[in-house]
Amino acid sequence: EVVMTQSPATLSVSPGERATLSCRASHSVSSYLAWYQQKPGLAPRLLIYGASTRATGVPARFSGSGSGTEFTLTISSLQSEDFAVYYCQQYNNWPPGFTFGPGTKVDLK
Amino acid sequence: QVQLVQSGAEVKKPGASVKVSCKASGYTFTDHYMHWVRQAPGQGLEWMGWINPNSGGTNYAQKFQGWVTMTRDTSINTVYLELSRLKSDDTALYYCARRYCDNTSCYGLAYWGQGTLVTVSS
Repeated sequence: EVVMTQSPATLSVSPGERATLSCRASHSVSSYLAWYQQKPGLAPRLLIYGASTRATGVPARFSGSGSGTEFTLTISSLQSEDFAVYYCQQYNNWPPGFTFGPGTKVDLK
Repeated sequence: QVQLVQSGAEVKKPGASVKVSCKASGYTFTDHYMHWVRQAPGQGLEWMGWINPNSGGTNYAQKFQGWVTMTRDTSINTVYLELSRLKSDDTALYYCARRYCDNTSCYGLAYWGQGTLVTVSS
């Protein structure tokens, strides 16, 4: 089973600043990596898939990079609506599994 | 548009079973696997497994093998998640979710139900 880790657990950022979130896989997942945003009381929202492709409607300030075991989500200029918890997830087809990382909470500095 | 509508909240006693439903619309039901994800209060997301609505085949995360069952009813475009031998730490919000797919492949979970809260308490 692939284990996903994320760092930091909490990231305190001021509006307008850049936020960089990290995700690591215990084994290579190639580019089968997605990022989600979750706000309180809501279902997660798909932001990035294929490690770097923005999902429909996702603002350009969100970007993803990486492959293999190391991945990054960057929010170039944080907006007030971006304060949320962010999860990475691998969806490698074999061994089949879609494990999530523990999440990074982005909060107001 | 793709819609996933889940059944309402449940309260169960330890040792009981519960069955949660997820009704899909807006696409061909048998064309896309359905996944289940749970989230305990204040905790992260935990992938539970998927069901192939076409064949009924399933794949469960190791943790859930033996006490979770996913089924489907193609006549009403609905998938089900049944949890048995419930414990207090199974208290969580249970989501059904479907991947985004294009002509080439399938990717992350783009479509989510509203979640079903299952509370296990004596």
